[in-house]
Amino acid sequence: GENVEQHPSTLSVQEGDSAVIKCTYSDSASNYFPWYKQELGKGPQLIIDIRSNVGEKKDQRIAVTLNKTAKHFSLHITETQPEDSAVYFCAAVLYNQGGKLIFGQGTELSVKP
Amino acid sequence: ETGVTQTPRHLVMGMTNKKSLKCEQHLGHNAMYWYKQSAKKPLELMFVYNFKEQTENNSVPSRFSPECPNSSHLFLHLHTLQPEDSALYLCASSQDREQPQHFGDGTRLSIL
Repeated sequence: GENVEQHPSTLSVQEGDSAVIKCTYSDSASNYFPWYKQELGKGPQLIIDIRSNVGEKKDQRIAVTLNKTAKHFSLHITETQPEDSAVYFCAAVLYNQGGKLIFGQGTELSVKP
Repeated sequence: ETGVTQTPRHLVMGMTNKKSLKCEQHLGHNAMYWYKQSAKKPLELMFVYNFKEQTENNSVPSRFSPECPNSSHLFLHLHTLQPEDSALYLCASSQDREQPQHFGDGTRLSIL
């Protein structure tokens, strides 16, 4: 079935440390994996995405890695800052179901100054 | 400015009321979506419209009725809702079904 599992559900780090959020998916047909950041009172905002033809993508302090064999992907945030505090969602698109986007349960990241 | 605008931002209604949520996108996208976001749960896809045609209804109760008059506007008509329908309702759009989705800031709905 279609499923995206995300861990941890909460993560607290000190400012300047790194944060890693991990997701696994069940359908091997998935080949597009976006990450969203949701701040309080706002909708989810796309921050980075990766397609299955690459194993890693980086954008400044944010990077995403993908292991298609193991069916898991991760978000890495380096040199965290208080403004990184938010809820982060991973997702996987199932192209064999018309592009349905399945979300993980979310990770509440808290960066302490 | 997200490019996807939702109104109202907050709505409180009784179970017998009829109200509508509105979504407007200024991105020239062809696909639009309604999601429900409840506390401690993943985002739940409700409806999908592609080129104004409804292509997906994820077993949503009939008290929720979507309408897409054109590619830029999407409505969610509400009637006889239940307390468990209280949630954040998010609208999203994308160029097509295989492109990234862009979300609005949602309507916080409370059912009394």
